[in-house]
Amino acid sequence: GAVVSQHPSRVICKSGTSVKIECRSLDFQATTMFWYRQFPKKSLMLMATSNEGSKATYEQGVEKDKFLINHASLTLSTLTVTSAHPEDSSFYICSARDSRDGKLFFGSGTQLSVL
Amino acid sequence: GESVGLHLPTLSVQEGDNSIINCAYSNSASDYFIWYKQESGKGPQFIIDIRSNMDKRQGQRVTVLLNKTVKHLSLQIAATQPGDSAVYFCAENTPGANSKLTFGKGITLSVRP
Repeated sequence: GAVVSQHPSRVICKSGTSVKIECRSLDFQATTMFWYRQFPKKSLMLMATSNEGSKATYEQGVEKDKFLINHASLTLSTLTVTSAHPEDSSFYICSARDSRDGKLFFGSGTQLSVL
Repeated sequence: GESVGLHLPTLSVQEGDNSIINCAYSNSASDYFIWYKQESGKGPQFIIDIRSNMDKRQGQRVTVLLNKTVKHLSLQIAATQPGDSAVYFCAENTPGANSKLTFGKGITLSVRP
């Protein structure tokens, strides 16, 4: 089946630094990718929709300057958490929509811990 | 606002029994529904999906039922196994130019040996 690679799987950083998370569709093209955030024992919350070649669409309450999204190619979207703070610690998950049939595939997630 | 929710936070079943996980959705415009399984520290894993023009779909050991009249979705797992222990989410897709997937709250399935 289709594979979405998300990297890194785990990152620990100091408060104030920026962290970049990559999401790659390995065997299909994805004009649309999605970024979710998940707190322990909670559901996935959609943060933003990433569209190849255009600006991302952010959900209400998500700071676009805080969570920078870039979707420069049909197989790669990146999420950069800028000036990270402890409250940004969370599990971040991406998904990619296969351009051929619209099916969604998820990455394995990134556990971000900000000290 | 529109939401997708689950009735029960946890479900404990005996190994070998059938499991039924329920989900209520409120967006009547949703055209596509998916059940996901998530294990600790991992991303959601697709289980089965169903389009709004269907009311039942079967997979391997799993069946999804959709009742649009009462906006209800269920996942049935036959002969539940220890490996089925995980958190299960239903998700609904809202159609249109800004199509997106909204997740329900999640339910933990615990299988007793």
